[in-house]
Amino acid sequence: GAGVSQSPSNKVTEKGKDVELRCDPISGHTALYWYRQSLGQGLEFLIYFQGNSAPDKSGLPSDRFSAERTGGSVSTLTIQRTQQEDSAVYLCASRAYAEAFFGQGTRLTVV
Amino acid sequence: GQQLNQSPQSMFIQEGEDVSMNCTSSSIFNTWLWYKQDPGEGPVLLIALYKAGELTSNGRLTAQFGITRKDSFLNISASIPSDVGIYFCAGQGLAGTYKYIFGTGTRLKVLA
Repeated sequence: GAGVSQSPSNKVTEKGKDVELRCDPISGHTALYWYRQSLGQGLEFLIYFQGNSAPDKSGLPSDRFSAERTGGSVSTLTIQRTQQEDSAVYLCASRAYAEAFFGQGTRLTVV
Repeated sequence: GQQLNQSPQSMFIQEGEDVSMNCTSSSIFNTWLWYKQDPGEGPVLLIALYKAGELTSNGRLTAQFGITRKDSFLNISASIPSDVGIYFCAGQGLAGTYKYIFGTGTRLKVLA
């Protein structure tokens, strides 16, 4: 597609359930990022993928969070045993050179 | 997580006025990006800066990469109501580290 696509756009889940968030980056972009944005806050780095290199997972807040990028394209962010503090907008971005382009985000609400 | 210092946090201005906001860091960056985020949307890239001292314009927007490589500013001239939104700066550090660090955001409201 023309831009970064994320799905679902909204997700409401019960505390303790697992969720999967999907990101389709811009075709040909080798780098992919996940960020988290809490209400009224800035963007918090979660994880970064670059080609076949080992991902930079330094921003993942706990071992309940994990992410994969299959075939160098689509990425899935998984949150296990969700907690209420996980409620936020999860943003994905892809990059070809120095400029990162964001998707519209997935709004996750844990009830 | 790590964030840049961005100011002001929010501003209310009259339509037609000029706006200025800036970001500062204790670390040197190789790239500065400025984004605008509308409610319910992802951030949209406005301007990218690659060299210290660089001054770049995009329509009514002008941004500069500070000489020390630790700061950047964004100016909006002759503001209009659709400029409303949250503006974020983002810095990328030394070569090989492609993590973007984001500012805390400037919330802009334009009064018609």
